[in-house]
Amino acid sequence: AQTVTQSQPEMSVQEAETVTLSCTYDTSENNYYLFWYKQPPSRQMILVIRQEAYKQQNATENRFSVNFQKAAKSFSLKISDSQLGDTAMYFCAFRRGGGSNYKLTFGKGTLLTVNP
Amino acid sequence: GAGVSQSPSNKVTEKGKDVELRCDPISGHTALYWYRQSLGQGLEFLIYFQGNSAPDKSGLPSDRFSAERTGGSVSTLTIQRTQQEDSAVYLCASTPSVQETQYFGPGTRLLVL
Repeated sequence: AQTVTQSQPEMSVQEAETVTLSCTYDTSENNYYLFWYKQPPSRQMILVIRQEAYKQQNATENRFSVNFQKAAKSFSLKISDSQLGDTAMYFCAFRRGGGSNYKLTFGKGTLLTVNP
Repeated sequence: GAGVSQSPSNKVTEKGKDVELRCDPISGHTALYWYRQSLGQGLEFLIYFQGNSAPDKSGLPSDRFSAERTGGSVSTLTIQRTQQEDSAVYLCASTPSVQETQYFGPGTRLLVL
């Protein structure tokens, strides 16, 4: 079974600064995907970024980038130039790449607050 | 285009009553997932539908929970004889194929009194 651990229940950052959210995972799979989802107070889960395990290059989406360390099973999210709208719960998630059920396994989440 | 929709947005019920939660996936998406988000347990997988295949019910917490998907589109999650521990946000997600990213609906917040 897979497990995903987010060790930071809460974090805060000043507007325009950079913040890094941590995520580690445990799996025996070799083919898998990792995700960061954002959940604002509206409850809508929004995909922030996705990383395929077979790709060594770290994924980047505008101000969001990841540091994917496969050997260490670490998948951190860096948010640059933080904006007030980034305030939300952030969930790290794992999904296997093969088999028949592609369910997501989530961490407990990190509540990020961006302060003006 | 339209995203995943869920109804009702909020539901308050009394212990022992049955409830039905609805999910309308994005048109053309063949895979549909239900998850439960509760304070104590975080986000948990409940059930998965893929096309016409038998659903994967491995995440359902008890036999009071069931789900169906009619015509490969709309899905209904039913909770019978609700208990207070069923209080949670129930999220639905769909994906165009099993390998693709899951797109989530806004969820239904269920409160069992």
